[in-house]
Formats: sequence, C-alpha cells, structure tokens
Amino acid sequence: DTGVSQDPRHKITKRGQNVTFRCDPISEHNRLYWYRQTLGQGPEFLTYFQNEAQLEKSRLLSDRFSAERPKGSFSTLEIQRTEQGDSAMYLCASSDYRGDEQYFGPGTRLTVT
Amino acid sequence: DQQVKQNSPSLSVQEGRISILNCDYTNSMFDYFLWYKKYPAEGPTFLISISSIKDKNEDGRFTVFLNKSAKHLSLHIVPSQPGDSAVYFCAASGGDNAGNMLTFGGGTRLMVKP
Repeated sequence: DTGVSQDPRHKITKRGQNVTFRCDPISEHNRLYWYRQTLGQGPEFLTYFQNEAQLEKSRLLSDRFSAERPKGSFSTLEIQRTEQGDSAMYLCASSDYRGDEQYFGPGTRLTVT
Repeated sequence: DQQVKQNSPSLSVQEGRISILNCDYTNSMFDYFLWYKKYPAEGPTFLISISSIKDKNEDGRFTVFLNKSAKHLSLHIVPSQPGDSAVYFCAASGGDNAGNMLTFGGGTRLMVKP
C-alpha cells in the first residue's frame, strides 16, 4: 500500500474562486480526517468520517467548506468563495476503526491571491 | 486556549548526543499521546505513541515518557542523527474526542548538527 495520497499538491487560486481537494486514504482504513495547518502552527482538526458518514465537524469549518466521502473510500474537501485567510496546508489522514494512530498524506498547499 | 503546548520552538543538538523534546497538556481527559515528525513540504509522519496506562514506550532510538501527574510528556532521541532534523509535533486524543480528533502542539524544530 502506498499510504495516504492527496491531489493536487499545490493550488493557487484567486479570491472568490471555488477549489476542491481530493484525498485517497490507506485502503483498509475506514476513518478519514481533514486538518488544516498554517505557518508556525500545528495541524488543526476540521472534520472526520467513519466510512461514508461525516461524524464530527470543527467550528473552524465554516459554511463555505464542505467535505464528502460518498463511497467510504476517497474524500473531497471543497472551499467555496475562497478568502485569503483560507491560505494554508490542508492535510488528510486516515486510521483504522480505533482512530488512535492517524497516518497523514503529503498535504495540499492552498494559496489564495 | 491551547490544550497542548510545546514551549520550545527550536532545539539544536550535536550529532550523537541526546535530543529531548517536551510537551505539556492541560486536558486531563487526554489518554493517548503521539509524536509526529514533519519535513518541509511533507505531511506529518507518525513516530511513536503512548497510552495513559503506561509511563514509557520505546522504539529503537525513540523513547516517549509520560508523566500524568505533571501532564507532561517528552520524546528522547538517542543518538541524534542529522536526518532527525525536522519539526516535531506532539498530539493528544481522548475524552469526548476519543478516537476522533487529534489536538496538536505548535511544534519544535530540531536541528542536529554534524
């Protein structure tokens, strides 16, 4: 297994545009997490799926953010009407049913100009 | 309110010596702790973890110590190698968030000098 993968690795967009990121977890993992990391900070939790069900969302996840995991495999994170404050590294992680050890992908770096 | 804190933003160590990275937490409900290593432009890589029922866990050159009464954990790297130079994050889970979200510290940049 090749681990968690994310696409794209980098995205530059203009303020007001919509962007979508994809995450493919480790194949046998049924839990999938999204985190956001800004410069000089640790990752911050955004949302979490168990199979296809979205079970928890952070208050950081404003109405402009939506995440899906339609078949319990890959997940997408969409940001609508991007703002400069959305510029960050978006990290995806997956784990088995216990969720104790989460394995991260390489991240998608978003720059909003 | 930061529930997990890494008070040293950076640490410089000579190759072959011990590196000690520290982490403090405030939420007494946390019961599982992890250390991740991160290189630039990559995602965090899982290093080692410890459950609150233990006070030490060892894996090769890496040992994590947990002091529950002090709400403090530390990562020891012995001997340190130049390839260990990276940012290290401690993370915690438990309580209402058991098995779900990880709460991370702000990271410590370790530089191992040859």
